[in-house]
Amino acid sequence: DGGITQSPKYLFRKEGQNVTLSCEQNLNHDAMYWYRQDPGQGLRLIYYSQIVNDFQKGDIAEGYSVSREKKESFPLTVTSAQKNPTAFYLCASSLTGENSPLHFGNGTRLTVT
Amino acid sequence: GQQLNQSPQSMFIQEGEDVSMNCTSSSIFNTWLWYKQDPGEGPVLLIALYKAGELTSNGRLTAQFGITRKDSFLNISASIPSDVGIYFCAGLANFGNEKLTFGTGTRLTIIP
Repeated sequence: DGGITQSPKYLFRKEGQNVTLSCEQNLNHDAMYWYRQDPGQGLRLIYYSQIVNDFQKGDIAEGYSVSREKKESFPLTVTSAQKNPTAFYLCASSLTGENSPLHFGNGTRLTVT
Repeated sequence: GQQLNQSPQSMFIQEGEDVSMNCTSSSIFNTWLWYKQDPGEGPVLLIALYKAGELTSNGRLTAQFGITRKDSFLNISASIPSDVGIYFCAGLANFGNEKLTFGTGTRLTIIP
């Protein structure tokens, strides 16, 4: 079945450590996105990529980094520079044409203590 | 940036009741999307609206793209327990999903 897989589901890290969240899709979508979700807030865009080897900052990119070496994969690294990293992280993908809505993965909940 | 006001923030209803929620924007959107998120899962697309005035149904769900292009509503008829979750609206003013703006969500709880 086609879809977006995020792993792991839950992640625990100590403050000061970098951590990488995985996102893989087999929908043959060109565009991939990372969002952060905090309680009571709408989804906020961290980074996005519309094509392999290219990515752009979203609204809250500080303290995060990404890579897009393959069409299917768009890993997100939460660095120690991110001041408040504990959150629910959602990966999404879409076609790049008009009227191509986002499809989401099931998220990774990151807890940093 | 653009602001999306979604209301109500939460709803407590009994099974079988109808539900209505809406989103309003400070500016014009060309696309409205409605998503549902179950606890601990990613949002799933329910309905996509691409034309002002459009009224679209998906089973017991009905959504409309407001004529002014600044609002949209979602109705759920005859609610059932699996309707529980958080409903998000999202609007797009211009082409490109990176410009999608999300509402803050409506949490639906069904009282037994």
